[in-house]
Amino acid sequence: NAGVMQNPRHLVRRRGQEARLRCSPMKGHSHVYWYRQLPEEGLKFMVYLQKENIIDESGMPKERFSAEFPKEGPSILRIQQVVRGDSAAYFCASSPQEGIDTGELFFGEGSRLTVL
Amino acid sequence: SQQGEEDPQALSIQEGENATMNCSYKTSINNLQWYRQNSGRGLVHLILIRSNEREKHSGRLRVTLDTSKKSSSLLITASRAADTASYFCAWGRLYGNKLVFGAGTILRVKS
Repeated sequence: NAGVMQNPRHLVRRRGQEARLRCSPMKGHSHVYWYRQLPEEGLKFMVYLQKENIIDESGMPKERFSAEFPKEGPSILRIQQVVRGDSAAYFCASSPQEGIDTGELFFGEGSRLTVL
Repeated sequence: SQQGEEDPQALSIQEGENATMNCSYKTSINNLQWYRQNSGRGLVHLILIRSNEREKHSGRLRVTLDTSKKSSSLLITASRAADTASYFCAWGRLYGNKLVFGAGTILRVKS
């Protein structure tokens, strides 16, 4: 039983470049969440997606950030024209059911983005 | 924080002692969950307590929930060096669709 798979685990980008982070949810899970964690801080919600739909993107910065979860393939978090403030760990989590009314989230190991 | 707090921010204890972490939140909730994060790793779910429950046990873990005070506590009994990690509470808002996380407590258990 593979867990939530994230790649790359570490990514280094220069200012102005693009970062693409990928997340494959657990088998049978159709709900994906992205969170951002700054050093020594908790997780901040970014976006909640189901297959081909963005359900809640209230935590996404208005510019440069986008997310998708296509019918086939992993969920992608894309950051365009990265700045140093984007340096953080980005975590993906999946769930087998809608919302979190009854269930836990299953987290990947995270992708750590460093912007030089 | 506008969303909630955890305290203490850091806790250092000796192996065998009990560790208590507290969490406060500000909204009505469906459930409250506790997660553990080892350094450089992802989060692992520990326990979930529903809004109509007051106490829950799982092994050496005991969680309480007081919805009138909007607070929860996590007790780890007979701590071990392997319990060293960051612990986060997270709550699902009533009618919400995501978990909101607290800032976490860093626990260090000395052997």
